[in-house]
Amino acid sequence: DADVTQTPRNRITKTGKRIMLECSQTKGHDRMYWYRQDPGLGLRLIYYSFDVKDINKGEISDGYSVSRQAQAKFSLSLESAIPNQTALYFCATSDLPGNQPQHFGDGTRLSIL
Amino acid sequence: AQSVTQLDSQVPVFEEAPVELRCNYSSSVSVYLFWYVQYPNQGLQLLLKYLSGSTLVKGINGFEAEFNKSQTSFHLRKPSVHISDTAEYFCAVSDRSARQLTFGSGTQLTVLP
Repeated sequence: DADVTQTPRNRITKTGKRIMLECSQTKGHDRMYWYRQDPGLGLRLIYYSFDVKDINKGEISDGYSVSRQAQAKFSLSLESAIPNQTALYFCATSDLPGNQPQHFGDGTRLSIL
Repeated sequence: AQSVTQLDSQVPVFEEAPVELRCNYSSSVSVYLFWYVQYPNQGLQLLLKYLSGSTLVKGINGFEAEFNKSQTSFHLRKPSVHISDTAEYFCAVSDRSARQLTFGSGTQLTVLP
């Protein structure tokens, strides 16, 4: 089984819909992250969490929200999806010094029509 | 704030040839440096990291990188590549007090038979 599991792997939806992407991990790491990847832009941080009670905005948090339900679970929500949120989304965990992702899930490909 | 520039968006190379993927960064303070690899349809994997100490860092799959503070570079090298090294490679930088990591835009390495 994967250490970091993302569901769903693919999702197509319409503008204005609410969407939740889920992430669970078996690494036992306190730190978890949500990134989006767009072609030619690398990865950009949406939100990160140091533990269940510590959630922080990244560089592109507008239009997104998160919930850390437990140490192992970190979900990302789009309250009202828009087409420019079409992207590949990654969840990650870490126990490295500093604040860098270490283990990634396989990603969720989200298309908003 | 820091930034990362990956100088080549695509690098084609023949199997068993050496390869260098270039990365330059800018930061006004001391940094941590990272290389990640992304195989098709997968999340990123941490290839290697420079946190402190020796400027020559060895990673997985025979890759190594050298931190050059005077040139603000962290180039990735492998003396002999394999077809299986075909992937996208991301350089990333974090200053030592930062709460997030900045990624480069990626270099697609294609190993040709």
